[in-house]
Amino acid sequence: DADVTQTPRNRITKTGKRIMLECSQTKGHDRMYWYRQDPGLGLRLIYYSFDVKDINKGEISDGYSVSRQAQAKFSLSLESAIPNQTALYFCATSDTSDRFGEQFFGPGTRLTVL
Amino acid sequence: AQSVTQLDSQVPVFEEAPVELRCNYSSSVSVYLFWYVQYPNQGLQLLLKYLSGSTLVESINGFEAEFNKSQTSFHLRKPSVHISDTAECFCAVSEVSLADKLIFGTGTRLQVFP
Repeated sequence: DADVTQTPRNRITKTGKRIMLECSQTKGHDRMYWYRQDPGLGLRLIYYSFDVKDINKGEISDGYSVSRQAQAKFSLSLESAIPNQTALYFCATSDTSDRFGEQFFGPGTRLTVL
Repeated sequence: AQSVTQLDSQVPVFEEAPVELRCNYSSSVSVYLFWYVQYPNQGLQLLLKYLSGSTLVESINGFEAEFNKSQTSFHLRKPSVHISDTAECFCAVSEVSLADKLIFGTGTRLQVFP
């Protein structure tokens, strides 16, 4: 079984709809991240959480919100989706005890906003 | 603030030929350097990392990268590529004091042809 899972893997939605992307991990890591990947732009950090009570904005948080329901779960929401949020979204985790900060990625969610 | 530049968006190469993917970074503080690889329809996975010590680091599948502080580079090389090496490759940097904050380059598509 995968250590970092994301649901759904693919989603097509319409402008203005509310969308939630979910991430779960079995690695026991306390730190979790949401990135989006766009062609030619690489990965950009949306939000990150160092524990259940710690949520931080990343480089491109506008239009997104997150919820850390438990150590193992970190959800990303688009309250009112717009077409330029069409992208590949990745969840990642890391362990506080790893001072080098290696991150482990989920398989990604491909979101299309029409 | 750190930044990462991957000058080549695509690198086409024939099987068994050598390859180099270029990565340059900018930072005013000490950094850790990483290469992540994304195989088709998969999430990112760590290929290799430079933390300290020997400037030449190697992966288990034959890739190597050399940290060059004077040129602020961390180029990825392989002497003989295989079809299965086809992937999107991302160079990333983090501050030693903020190891969890990864800054990614825009990615290089390594396409190996038979």
